[in-house]
Amino acid sequence: SAVISQKPSRDICQRGTSLTIQCQVDSQVTMMFWYRQQPGQSLTLIATANQGSEATYESGFVIDKFPISRPNLTFSTLTVSNMSPEDSSIYLCSGGAQAEAFFGQGTRLTVV
Amino acid sequence: QKEVEQNSGPLSVPEGAIASLNCTYSDRVSQSFFWYRQYSGKSPELIMSIYSNGDKEDGRFTAQLNKASQYVSLLIRDSQPSDSATYLCAVNSGSARQLTFGSGTQLTVLP
Repeated sequence: SAVISQKPSRDICQRGTSLTIQCQVDSQVTMMFWYRQQPGQSLTLIATANQGSEATYESGFVIDKFPISRPNLTFSTLTVSNMSPEDSSIYLCSGGAQAEAFFGQGTRLTVV
Repeated sequence: QKEVEQNSGPLSVPEGAIASLNCTYSDRVSQSFFWYRQYSGKSPELIMSIYSNGDKEDGRFTAQLNKASQYVSLLIRDSQPSDSATYLCAVNSGSARQLTFGSGTQLTVLP
């Protein structure tokens, strides 16, 4: 299994600002994934973070709003840019060396 | 569009009973199937993975897969109040390895 450390665990941000979420994996993983989970809802994939290439975004998510970095096989960041209250959600990163995926602790974001 | 369907519940069972959670998926080429447990305010925790038709047991948990019927289930024997959580079914369909999640089933085990 992989242990993923995600930070910050929570934040309250002003609209119009940006927040960068970091995820560190204790082992090398080929791909990392970023999800969003609205209250009471399931997980929605935002993008796949590939090492050495641009992230692959799912329908409805764009790079200008959610830029992602993947500088090496153990680390990734997701930035939520120009935030609005609609961005209030839980953001989760995941990854794993094999087919199984493990999750970070999540970042609970509130935009006011 | 790949879809994963779960009974949203809530599902309530008495302590000591068997809880049965069900999931169907639409993509016939799906290869890997997972059950995650998510406590309120926490991130999903992987509890079972299954890749081949049949049953896979791990302690009180049994995952069952039927690819012909595109159906995967999770049985929890001797349910405990600590099993009360939302259970998410997840399916992987290709080499990209991203998971498609169901909406989750909320389970309550009554003492």
